[in-house]
Amino acid sequence: EAQVTQNPRYLITVTGKKLTVTCSQNMNHEYMSWYRQDPGLGLRQIYYSMNVEVTDKGDVPEGYKVSRKEKRNFPLILESPSPNQTSLYFCASSTRTGMNIQYFGAGTRLSVL
Amino acid sequence: GDSVTQMEGPVTLSEEAFLTINCTYTATGYPSLFWYVQYPGEGLQLLLKATKADDKGSNKGFEATYRKETTSFHLEKGSVQVSDSAVYFCALSSNTGKLIFGQGTTLQVKP
Repeated sequence: EAQVTQNPRYLITVTGKKLTVTCSQNMNHEYMSWYRQDPGLGLRQIYYSMNVEVTDKGDVPEGYKVSRKEKRNFPLILESPSPNQTSLYFCASSTRTGMNIQYFGAGTRLSVL
Repeated sequence: GDSVTQMEGPVTLSEEAFLTINCTYTATGYPSLFWYVQYPGEGLQLLLKATKADDKGSNKGFEATYRKETTSFHLEKGSVQVSDSAVYFCALSSNTGKLIFGQGTTLQVKP
């Protein structure tokens, strides 16, 4: 089954404790992206990757890092989480030529205390 | 820059009522337009799309028409069901290929 898998689904952590949210897709997609969803703001793009070893900033990249060492994986790293990063995070993937039709993971709800 | 504006929610309807969720956009050029749906506890999934003016996208009884003259892409359904309860996102594809989302509209359908 074609899917985008995020882990963990729920995470509660404390300010400053480094964390990683994993994302993996099994569709051989070149394009992958991370979004955060906040009430009244919709989805905002954090980072995206057009292919292996190619990443770029989205609209709200501050406080986040990503890497793309393999085509299927695109982890999101919060080196020093802060309470304003409490949010619902989604990973998505698509083909390079079909970026407007993205396949989303089920989401990771993060709370930073 | 490009942007999408949706009507404020939540929208609460009784089963079999008519649904309209308004969406307007601002964009340079001629973007493609989309509606994505997010069911409770799930990620977003594409509901329908339209790639040029006057195109009508449709799926699962939902429809939306690309209106260039009013820069709108309103979502409609003639008779909603409880299972349609979800968050609906209007989006456009910018000239770089990036998806730009509206803020989302929550729909709750009561039996």
